[in-house]
Amino acid sequence: DQQVKQNSPSLSVQEGRISILNCDYTNSMFDYFLWYKKYPAEGPTFLISISSIKDKNEDGRFTVFLNKSAKHLSLHIVPSQPGDSAVYFCAAIMAAGANNLFFGTGTRLTVIP
Amino acid sequence: DGGITQSPKYLFRKEGQNVTLSCEQNLNHDAMYWYRQDPGQGLRLIYYSQIVNDFQKGDIAEGYSVSREKKESFPLTVTSAQKNPTAFYLCASSARQGTTDTQYFGPGTRLTVL
Repeated sequence: DQQVKQNSPSLSVQEGRISILNCDYTNSMFDYFLWYKKYPAEGPTFLISISSIKDKNEDGRFTVFLNKSAKHLSLHIVPSQPGDSAVYFCAAIMAAGANNLFFGTGTRLTVIP
Repeated sequence: DGGITQSPKYLFRKEGQNVTLSCEQNLNHDAMYWYRQDPGQGLRLIYYSQIVNDFQKGDIAEGYSVSREKKESFPLTVTSAQKNPTAFYLCASSARQGTTDTQYFGPGTRLTVL
């Protein structure tokens, strides 16, 4: 049972425009969310995270929004750059007694120059 | 530089053979993890370890075994019992298990069973 879902397998965006990647989850016990970026044949690299007590976290061009009532989070990249082209994974964790990350299936972002 | 190393990058194995994937970290992290990634799927947890000489099964542990004799090392053995071993294997570590400490990943090992 997939507790973290990324329903869009791919997304194409023009360079300079905004990229919005979406993620939904089903388990209300999740209290921390992360986004990872992954290039082919490499390990994921941590991008940005957000605690469930917040609704927004910003780091440079990357902003993550959390809507707990909707069990939805999104990653905004603005402006998008060709180097942002990668697969983005959403992940969630439960702090209390937690032991692993629950990953979504990923969204492949292509930024067109 | 601190980080996580996995070797080899590519590995080929004949059916019926066991193979061990290496994972080493010099981040002084307590917790280590093994995931596998298959096309179109997210990462799935195989095994994790909180401390030396302790490890727990993840969601898909069947056909795999691990050891944690040293804090910095967490090798994964893919046994002949694993029905579909061809995949991309990722090792990760975090400062403390059972917290929201960020997990950091190694570069991965692609295993192909011939």
